[in-house]
Amino acid sequence: EIVLTQSPATLSVSPGERATLSCRASQSISSNLVWYQQRPGQAPRLLIYDASRRATGVPARFSGSGSGTEFTLTISSLQSEDLAIYFCQQYINWPSFGPGTKVDIK
Amino acid sequence: EVQLVESGGGLVEPGRSLRLSCAASGFTFDVYAMHWVRQTPGKGLEWVSSISWDGGRIGYADSVNGRFTISRDNAGNSLSLEMNSLRTDDTAFYHCVKGNYDTPNMNWFDSWGQGTLVTVS
Repeated sequence: EIVLTQSPATLSVSPGERATLSCRASQSISSNLVWYQQRPGQAPRLLIYDASRRATGVPARFSGSGSGTEFTLTISSLQSEDLAIYFCQQYINWPSFGPGTKVDIK
Repeated sequence: EVQLVESGGGLVEPGRSLRLSCAASGFTFDVYAMHWVRQTPGKGLEWVSSISWDGGRIGYADSVNGRFTISRDNAGNSLSLEMNSLRTDDTAFYHCVKGNYDTPNMNWFDSWGQGTLVTVS
C-alpha cells in the first residue's frame, strides 16, 4: 500500500500571500497524483490531476508540481474562499489519500 | 451537470447490514468506473470500493473485503454498496464518486456526491 503524508497539518496565511502545501509518497508514483479542495460542509472538489494539470474551472492561482515521491500544491495569492482542507491522492493503482492540510485565513 | 445522490444511510447496530444506493445523472453512466469513498473526521478520506464500467472488474479496500459488495445497474444509472457485518469503525460519511476512466483502478475522482452518514453503534 502506498502511504501519502501531507505537511503542514495546518497552514495560516494572510489574504494575498502564497500558500505552499506538500504531499510525499512512500514510493514513486510518477505523476499519478491529484489534489482536492474540500470547503466546510461540501464534498471534495478536484483541483489538479496528473500532478500539475488544472481541472476545468479551477482558478490559475492554483498550481501543482512534482513527480516521483515529492509533490507541491501552491496557491499563489490566497483568497478568502480558499479556506478549506486540501487532500492529495495517488492513483498509480488502487487509490489512497493523504490526511489533508487545513488552510486557515490569517 | 453531474449529479450523484446517495441514500440508505442511518443508525445500525454492530453486526447488522445496510445497503447504500447512489442515483447518477448528467453523464453517460455506463462509460465510467464508479467508486465509494468514506470520510470520518478522525481518519480522513478512505477508498472503499470500485467497479468498472461493465461491472466486470471490482476492487475493495482490505478493511471491507469480504464484508461489502459493490454493484451497479447501468440501465437504471445507479450504484449500490451492500454492507454486512458492520463494525463501529465503519461509521463514516459514504460518498458516491465518479471516476475519470472505465477501469476501476488508476482513477482520480472528478465528481463527488454529498455523502450519506452511516453510524454503527
